[in-house]
Amino acid sequence: KQEVTQIPAALSVPEGENLVLNCSFTDSAIYNLQWFRQDPGKGLTSLLLIQSSQREQTSGRLNASLDKSSGRSTLYIAASQPGDSATYLCAVRITGANSKLTFGKGITLSVRP
Amino acid sequence: DGGITQSPKYLFRKEGQNVTLSCEQNLNHDAMYWYRQDPGQGLRLIYYSQIVNDFQKGDIAEGYSVSREKKESFPLTVTSAQKNPTAFYLCASSETPTDTQYFGPGTRLTVL
Repeated sequence: KQEVTQIPAALSVPEGENLVLNCSFTDSAIYNLQWFRQDPGKGLTSLLLIQSSQREQTSGRLNASLDKSSGRSTLYIAASQPGDSATYLCAVRITGANSKLTFGKGITLSVRP
Repeated sequence: DGGITQSPKYLFRKEGQNVTLSCEQNLNHDAMYWYRQDPGQGLRLIYYSQIVNDFQKGDIAEGYSVSREKKESFPLTVTSAQKNPTAFYLCASSETPTDTQYFGPGTRLTVL
């Protein structure tokens, strides 16, 4: 059974720092991996999707990498801003018919002005 | 505007009552999903539908039911058999079952 872990559960950084959020998964036979952002009391916003054949994806100040062999993905946020404060979740889809997303519990990020 | 809508935003239910949560999408997506989110836990899949008139149980389907009579609509009924229904419920859709999932704003259900 696929398990997805995000550590630490919470992170506080000063504005302007470059930071890395980690995601690890137990089954390396993945189809793709998706990073989401969730603001308090809101739905999830898709940030990046990485296919299993890709090593990284970039969108603006965000860069997500994938290392299937080690079961890890990282979300890199450059020059963090207070508006980046939110919970970041990763979700993994394994290979196979009717495969579903398995979510981590998320990392709650606070960027201090 | 294309997107996913959920209603109501807040819902209160007495014990023993069934309630139905609405989810509508105008993205022309084939696949739709229902998740439950509890504090300190990741999202857990309740039901999903890959095509109209077809749906599959997720990891925690007991006490819930769904229908998919129209492509744009995927309502979730929380029945009285669901032992602990207080939670935040999220609906999502994707163009195909392996594509990016897009989420609605959620419904917070509280059992009184």
